[in-house]
Amino acid sequence: GQNIDQPTEMTATEGAIVQINCTYQTSGFNGLFWYQQHAGEAPTFLSYNVLDGLEEKGRFSSFLSRSKGYSYLLLKELQMKDSASYLCAVPQAGSQGNLIFGKGTKLSVKP
Amino acid sequence: DSGVTQTPKHLITATGQRVTLRCSPRSGDLSVYWYQQSLDQGLQFLIHYYNGEERAKGNILERFSAQQFPDLHSELNLSSLELGDSALYFCASSLEIRNEQFFGPGTRLTVL
Repeated sequence: GQNIDQPTEMTATEGAIVQINCTYQTSGFNGLFWYQQHAGEAPTFLSYNVLDGLEEKGRFSSFLSRSKGYSYLLLKELQMKDSASYLCAVPQAGSQGNLIFGKGTKLSVKP
Repeated sequence: DSGVTQTPKHLITATGQRVTLRCSPRSGDLSVYWYQQSLDQGLQFLIHYYNGEERAKGNILERFSAQQFPDLHSELNLSSLELGDSALYFCASSLEIRNEQFFGPGTRLTVL
């Protein structure tokens, strides 16, 4: 089967750096997605990793290690608006692209 | 704004009733996915359509059904509603299978 684990909650300070980890188990790997979701709103796409390594996109970076079944999302120069849930997702093995989501990490940014 | 639209935004109904949720994908996207999000379960995949054809089913109850029309909009039908069906229902679209998915604003369903 497939399983995704993320910490439930994290707290960080405005201006700081935070790393949100995700571990996954899947029988066939077809990339890993990160989404941001503010409370009551739609998830918005942040990043997609299919090869090992770090992908940087402005203040957000995402890292993947396929051999370890591990990814993280790195948020730099935290802003209050970054308070949201961050969802890690992988395509279901053998699927037509439907995603299996982790339960999300709720990040609270404090002043 | 993702370009995906969903109506209605909110829906309040009673147990036993039937409702229809509507989704219009981004212009040009052929894939539509439906997801359910409840507080304790997170985002759960329900069903996927590609260019009018059903491609995959997830944890979708038999009381639920969906279709994608020739103009590519999709409808999710929920019948014999139960209290536990109260949730946020999202649709998402992508240009092709396995591309990143863009989510609509969701329909919040409350069953009383």
